[in-house]
Amino acid sequence: DSGVTQTPKHLITATGQRVTLRCSPRSGDLSVYWYQQSLDQGLQFLIQYYNGEERAKGNILERFSAQQFPDLHSELNLSSLELGDSALYFCASSWGAGGSVDEQYFGPGTRLTVT
Amino acid sequence: SQQGEEDPQALSIQEGENATMNCSYKTSINNLQWYRQNSGRGLVHLILIRSNEREKHSGRLRVTLDTSKKSSSLLITASRAADTASYFCATDLNYQLIWGAGTKLIIKP
Repeated sequence: DSGVTQTPKHLITATGQRVTLRCSPRSGDLSVYWYQQSLDQGLQFLIQYYNGEERAKGNILERFSAQQFPDLHSELNLSSLELGDSALYFCASSWGAGGSVDEQYFGPGTRLTVT
Repeated sequence: SQQGEEDPQALSIQEGENATMNCSYKTSINNLQWYRQNSGRGLVHLILIRSNEREKHSGRLRVTLDTSKKSSSLLITASRAADTASYFCATDLNYQLIWGAGTKLIIKP
C-alpha cells in the first residue's frame, strides 16, 4: 500500500460528459502528479501541483483541468469526454517540489471508460 | 517524444534466470528511476540512481548508469514468477518525470 488513495476505482460514462477524479496524497507529501496511461502504453504526464500551486504541465488537454486543495488532496476534471479519453488515470505523490525529482508513490488508479 | 526508451519491449525468461532491461535517454539528467507495474495496477518505485552514481543495488536488483552513453540497465537476478510485470525507466526533465514505454517481463515457471 503506497498510502496514495484514488477514487473512484472505475468510472463508466458517455461521450460529452464531465467527470472528476480524486486523489489523496501520502501523508506528508506536498506534490501531486497526474498521469494518463492508455492501453498497453507508457505513462503520459499531465500536470503537477506542489503545495496548492501548479508546478509543471505536461501533455494535458485544454478539456482537462486539475487543482490541489489546502488539505493537499487533488482533483482532476475531465470534460467533453471523448472515446479516446478512455484510460487509466494515476495520481502520484512525492515529498519534494521537483527539480531533482524524488521518487513518486502511485495510487491504484482510476479506470475511465468512455462509451 | 519520450525521453526514455526501454529495450527490449518484451522479455520472456525461465524462472531462476537473470533478466536485463535497458533504458536510453536523450538529454542530461539529475537522476534516473526504475518502476515496476503489475498488470493494470499502480507503479511501484524500485530504485533511483543519481547522475553521479554508476551502480546501485537493492536486493536482487542492480542498476547501472552510463551518462556518457545516456543509458541505464536494470538487472534482476534469480528471477521469480512474481517478477512478471512491466518495468519503466523515468528521467527527470524540467521538473517532471519523462517515462519510457516499458519492458514487459514474463517469467515462465
